[in-house]
Amino acid sequence: GAGVSQTPSNKVTEKGKYVELRCDPISGHTALYWYRQSLGQGPEFLIYFQGTGAADDSGLPNDRFFAVRPEGSVSTLKIQRTERGDSAVYLCASSPRDYPYNEQFFGPGTRLTVL
Amino acid sequence: GENVEQHPSTLSVQEGDSAVIKCTYSDSASNYFPWYKQELGKGPQLIIDIRSNVGEKKDQRIAVTLNKTAKHFSLHITETQPEDSAVYFCAVFGGTSYGKLTFGQGTILTVHP
Repeated sequence: GAGVSQTPSNKVTEKGKYVELRCDPISGHTALYWYRQSLGQGPEFLIYFQGTGAADDSGLPNDRFFAVRPEGSVSTLKIQRTERGDSAVYLCASSPRDYPYNEQFFGPGTRLTVL
Repeated sequence: GENVEQHPSTLSVQEGDSAVIKCTYSDSASNYFPWYKQELGKGPQLIIDIRSNVGEKKDQRIAVTLNKTAKHFSLHITETQPEDSAVYFCAVFGGTSYGKLTFGQGTILTVHP
C-alpha cells in the first residue's frame, strides 16, 4: 500500500521567503507528526496532530512556524520569513493511533535549503 | 523532558559479524521503544519495536532487548550483510514525552564485505 508522501522532495528558497511543505499520511491514520532533522542528528519533534487539531505544538521553534491539517488528512507545514538556520530535512510521519503505543511511519522528507 | 543517549556513534563490522547498538533513556514512565533504519536520502524506516511489558523481541536477524530497571535497550543484528549499512536510530515514547518520539543521536553502521 501507499506510504507517507511528502512534496516537494527538495525546496530551495531565499532568506526571508515563505515556504509550504506538504504531507500526505497513510490512509486511515489519525495521528500525524512533523519532525526536523539536521545533518548528522536524529529527528526532532515539531508538532503532532490528532485528527484536525494540534495536540502538541511544543516543538515548533518560534512563531514563524505553523502547521495545519484542516480535514484530518493532508497536513501543511508553513514557514514564514525563512532563515538560513531553517535549512534541514523536514520529515512527516503518521500513525494509526497515538495511545497506548505509537508506531510511526515516516515519509521520505523534504530537504529545505535557505540561501 | 525525555533524554535519550545512543552509543556508539559509528560502528564498523565485517560481513557475518554481529552488531550491537545501545540506548539509555531518562523517563521511567516511557513505554514504547522503536528502532529505525535510515538510508541516505530516505526517511527513517521502522525495523523493530518493543513495549515496556516485554523484555526481548526477535525478528529474523534483528532483536531488541529492554531493561526497564536500568532504563536501557539495545538493538542486536546478527549475520550482518552489506545492505545492513545505514544509520540506525533508537527512539522512546510515552511518559512525559507522550505524543511524540524522542530520538537518539544515531549510529552509522558500516558492514564491510
